[in-house]
Amino acid sequence: DAGVTQSPTHLIKTRGQHVTLRCSPISGHKSVSWYQQVLGQGPQFIFQYYEKEERGRGNFPDRFSARQFPNYSSELNVNALLLGDSALYLCASSLETGVREQYFGPGTRLTVT
Amino acid sequence: RKEVEQDPGPFNVPEGATVAFNCTYSNSASQSFFWYRQDCRKEPKLLMSVYSSGNEDGRFTAQLNRASQYISLLIRDSKLSDSATYLCVVNTGFQKLVFGTGTRLLVSP
Repeated sequence: DAGVTQSPTHLIKTRGQHVTLRCSPISGHKSVSWYQQVLGQGPQFIFQYYEKEERGRGNFPDRFSARQFPNYSSELNVNALLLGDSALYLCASSLETGVREQYFGPGTRLTVT
Repeated sequence: RKEVEQDPGPFNVPEGATVAFNCTYSNSASQSFFWYRQDCRKEPKLLMSVYSSGNEDGRFTAQLNRASQYISLLIRDSKLSDSATYLCVVNTGFQKLVFGTGTRLLVSP
């Protein structure tokens, strides 16, 4: 069985640009969560989606948005990129909401210059 | 105060040693607890869930003390392949996992 997949694996953007990151959960998993991990820190929660609805939001500005599609895949969008948005963006899937065990994808490493 | 606190380490131990990590959490309403392992520049991988009664998986033992709000992970007979960062993770009940900064373990020959 395929695990969580994310694309792209690496991305370089310029300040002020927009970026879209994509995630496909494990087959049969209906919940997707997004996390940001900067160097030397643990992952920070951004969003959780379940059945196409936002079920949780972390302490991130409105420049960050996400959505989930009928096939349970998800996109994370970040507008007006700042240097501080440079990080590893991780997608995690779980069977349902309620946050039992989550399984992470390999991440997208975003560099903002 | 951070929601989840861990000693960042590094913990340097020889092969075969026993090593223990502790983690404290601030939200007494936290509902579930996990240890994840993260290798350099890779994604976190679930190592084990932590149950109130404690649980063991091979060389790894996890304990939860709700009264004192701490979680522990014990690794026996350390292997070189155990070298990684160990993340303490808490579900605070708001549809999110809260991660500690991680404890780095280096196992040497």
